[in-house]
Amino acid sequence: DQQVKQNSPSLSVQEGRISILNCDYTNSMFDYFLWYKKYPAEGPTFLISISSIKDKNEDGRFTVFLNKSAKHLSLHIVPSQPGDSAVYFCAARIVGNEKLTFGTGTRLTIIP
Amino acid sequence: DAGITQSPRHKVTETGTPVTLRCHQTENHRYMYWYRQDPGHGLRLIHYSYGVKDTDKGEVSDGYSVSRSKTEDFLLTLESATSSQTSVYFCASRAQQGTDTQYFGPGTRLTVL
Repeated sequence: DQQVKQNSPSLSVQEGRISILNCDYTNSMFDYFLWYKKYPAEGPTFLISISSIKDKNEDGRFTVFLNKSAKHLSLHIVPSQPGDSAVYFCAARIVGNEKLTFGTGTRLTIIP
Repeated sequence: DAGITQSPRHKVTETGTPVTLRCHQTENHRYMYWYRQDPGHGLRLIHYSYGVKDTDKGEVSDGYSVSRSKTEDFLLTLESATSSQTSVYFCASRAQQGTDTQYFGPGTRLTVL
C-alpha cells in the first residue's frame, strides 16, 4: 500500500520556466512533509519541508504548497535551472514517529 | 550537510553469504537510519537507532540486523544474503527528535548473485 504517491515518473521543463512536482498521500495522520533531491550515485539531499499547520513554505526558488483537504502537496521551482535536473522524492512522517514514508520519485529534466 | 560516509560503496556477493555495511557519521547525531532504494518503491526504512545500543525495526526489516555500539557507527548486517536484497542502501542521521531533517550518506550498491 503506497501511502505517498508521485504519479509522474518523469517531467521535462524548459530552462527558466516553472517546474511543478506533485505528491499525493493517503494517511491523514501525516503532519510533516519533506522534499529531497537526488543526483545519480549520490544520497538524497534535503530541499524543503512543511508542517501541516502551514499551507505554504518558501525558500529561494523553491516553494512547497500543502492542501490538506486534498491530501496533496506540490513543489514549485522558479525559475528552473539545468542543475535542477535530478530525481525528486517527497516524504511524509507523523510527528513522534521515526519512520519517513517516501514516494517513488519524479525525474526532472531541465532542457537548456 | 552532515558528514556521513558509507563503506563499502559497491559490493558483489553470493547468495547465502553474510554481508555487513557500515555507516559512519561525524556530527554526533543521536538518530541513525538504514534505508533501501528499489525501482518502483522509493526509499524504505529497514532499521533505525535512537541511541547507542537502542534500535528498532522499520517496514522491511526481515533478513536484516543492525548494531550500534558507538554514536558514530551504525552497522547493517545481512545474515545470509539473498538475491531479493540486491539494492542500493542508504544510511541517514538526524540530530534530535522532532522535525529535524535526516541527512543521507552516498549509498552502497549491493549485488547478490
